[in-house]
Amino acid sequence: GESVGLHLPTLSVQEGDNSIINCAYSNSASDYFIWYKQESGKGPQFIIDIRSNMDKRQGQRVTVLLNKTVKHLSLQIAATQPGDSAVYFCADKYNNNDMRFGAGTRLTVKP
Amino acid sequence: NAGVTQTPKFRILKIGQSMTLQCAQDMNHNYMYWYRQDPGMGLKLIYYSVGAGITDKGEVPNGYNVSRSTTEDFPLRLELAAPSQTSVYFCASRISVTGLTEAFFGQGTRLTVV
Repeated sequence: GESVGLHLPTLSVQEGDNSIINCAYSNSASDYFIWYKQESGKGPQFIIDIRSNMDKRQGQRVTVLLNKTVKHLSLQIAATQPGDSAVYFCADKYNNNDMRFGAGTRLTVKP
Repeated sequence: NAGVTQTPKFRILKIGQSMTLQCAQDMNHNYMYWYRQDPGMGLKLIYYSVGAGITDKGEVPNGYNVSRSTTEDFPLRLELAAPSQTSVYFCASRISVTGLTEAFFGQGTRLTVV
């Protein structure tokens, strides 16, 4: 069936470096994507979203890139900080009422 | 605003017991959701509601029931707890005007069935 997925389950980066978290989706009809951050013991928290009529969207220290040709989504975090350590989920639009979530990538920031 | 509030935070149930997970939001969101998250996995949708009086099944509804008598509250009921229902449960809500928007999540309820 249709699904979203992540290329790597874990990612370790040095503090101050840039992080790139990748996500592949299979539903070519998906027109809306969200990145969530989940810290240990907490619920997911919205980071940034992007609609399919865009290739790139920037927030504060984060950028999401969407490549519809290869059905790939990435989240870039600039100057990664210890507070960025968390599990990051991508989600794509499943229908008008819901999103489907990938398994997540655990980002660890080394001091 | 408190956002999305879930109670309890932790619970241990014996097989066959029942319980209700509470969820309340004070943002006047029309959409509410219940997800479960198993270790190392993403979120699976159990049930959702697009407004008071309306509920629909998600991806994994078996063993659960919901009701939505008010805009604010969306309780999840487990009637006969089974070990397979050991998981972390998240409630979420969002406003729907045109298309999808981001959801706001509660802190989660960690349920263990023994």
